[in-house]
Amino acid sequence: EVQLLESGGGLVQPGGSLRLSCAASGFAFSTYPMSWVRQAPGKGLEWVSGISGSGGSTYYADSVKGRFTISRDSSKSTLFLQMNSLRAEDTAVYYCAKTPLGNKAKYFFDYWGQGTPVTVSS
Amino acid sequence: DIQMTQSPSSLSASVGDRVTITCRASQGINNYLAWYQQKPGKVPNLLIYAASTLQSGVPSRFSGSGSGTDFTLTISSLQPEDVATYYCQKYNSPPFTFGPGTKVEIK
Repeated sequence: EVQLLESGGGLVQPGGSLRLSCAASGFAFSTYPMSWVRQAPGKGLEWVSGISGSGGSTYYADSVKGRFTISRDSSKSTLFLQMNSLRAEDTAVYYCAKTPLGNKAKYFFDYWGQGTPVTVSS
Repeated sequence: DIQMTQSPSSLSASVGDRVTITCRASQGINNYLAWYQQKPGKVPNLLIYAASTLQSGVPSRFSGSGSGTDFTLTISSLQPEDVATYYCQKYNSPPFTFGPGTKVEIK
């Protein structure tokens, strides 16, 4: 059974940093691209960042480019999102999500974690 | 970047009704279009990918069609458990943008 468990969310001041983690199990982690998708309170879904199975290719939404860094550790089957220079508009629930296609930069999502909330406020 | 729009933004229909949601891309995306259902307080669930391929375990009353810039999600007979917000998402290339969502309620 595929499981994705996010952690690391919390309250942070504007300009601060936070590192999110997503522990994966139940599938060959290094085979599949992974992404972070966020949802601000009462709002829709926003794709944030994605990474290929090997970790060699990374992609970002313009809204986070230069501030967020996605990475993965295949030895620990864990996905990360380093978030720096946080702003109030980054407040959201952050989901990690798995892509079912292993070898293409075409990311849609067949499994989602339960999400971790991030609040940016002074 | 390609923009995704959905219409309507919300709808109310009776149980058993046929419901159609439209998604439009600002540029052609071939058939690289997915649909998700998000029930209140729950995690999004993949319904359809490649514009018309039903994800395993999804009821057959859900169907998708379209290619290029115009796509539709159809619920052939609306059920009470279909109350949710539905999102389209393009995945031909990054950024993998979602549409703004369509909220479906029971009349």
